[in-house]
Amino acid sequence: DTAVSQTPKYLVTQMGNDKSIKCEQNLGHDTMYWYKQDSKKFLKIMFSYNNKELIINETVPNRFSPKSPDKAHLNLHINSLELGDSAVYFCASSKGQGTTNTEAFFGQGTRLTVV
Amino acid sequence: DAKTTQPTSMDCAEGRAANLPCNHSTISGNEYVYWYRQIHSQGPQYIIHGLKNNETNEMASLIITEDRKSSTLILPHATLRDTAVYYCIVRVYGQNFVFGPGTRLSVLP
Repeated sequence: DTAVSQTPKYLVTQMGNDKSIKCEQNLGHDTMYWYKQDSKKFLKIMFSYNNKELIINETVPNRFSPKSPDKAHLNLHINSLELGDSAVYFCASSKGQGTTNTEAFFGQGTRLTVV
Repeated sequence: DAKTTQPTSMDCAEGRAANLPCNHSTISGNEYVYWYRQIHSQGPQYIIHGLKNNETNEMASLIITEDRKSSTLILPHATLRDTAVYYCIVRVYGQNFVFGPGTRLSVLP
């Protein structure tokens, strides 16, 4: 069973469109994250959610919005896509505080290409 | 910003031990050292983590110096499939995982 799954794996879309990337985890974790990896291969945190509350929002354009319908899902919505949004987006999850096993597990990524 | 420094790249012969160093001189007492790797463009994969004691699992060993200002990840018998970018991260429980540029390990036949 896939622990953290993202859909779609590849997404090609035109500038100005609105798109969503879905993420689901079946690990029972209560914290989920979105990371962006650009062409220079740097992994940057975008959002993290703990118990359906946004706890950190880095300097990400407000065109990006995370939506968490429940603890197992954290979807990423992107409005008015721009060329610079082209990147690989990774979802991850981890347990919260108070445990020893708090490593994060990552999905396989969604490669977004804006043309 | 990442609180660790790692060499940009390293080579290792197949079958030999790969020793990947990491400096974290400003680590605080409640920060753990985590290691992840990313093979090609796959999602980062957890390897191991520790606080101050050395740790070992089926993938690797983690050696943390007594002053906790540096650590070494050891892959005891590197294979070609261990070629990847290795990330050393220091983190307090509940904080984000902040990735630096990592070390690109090339295992050579």
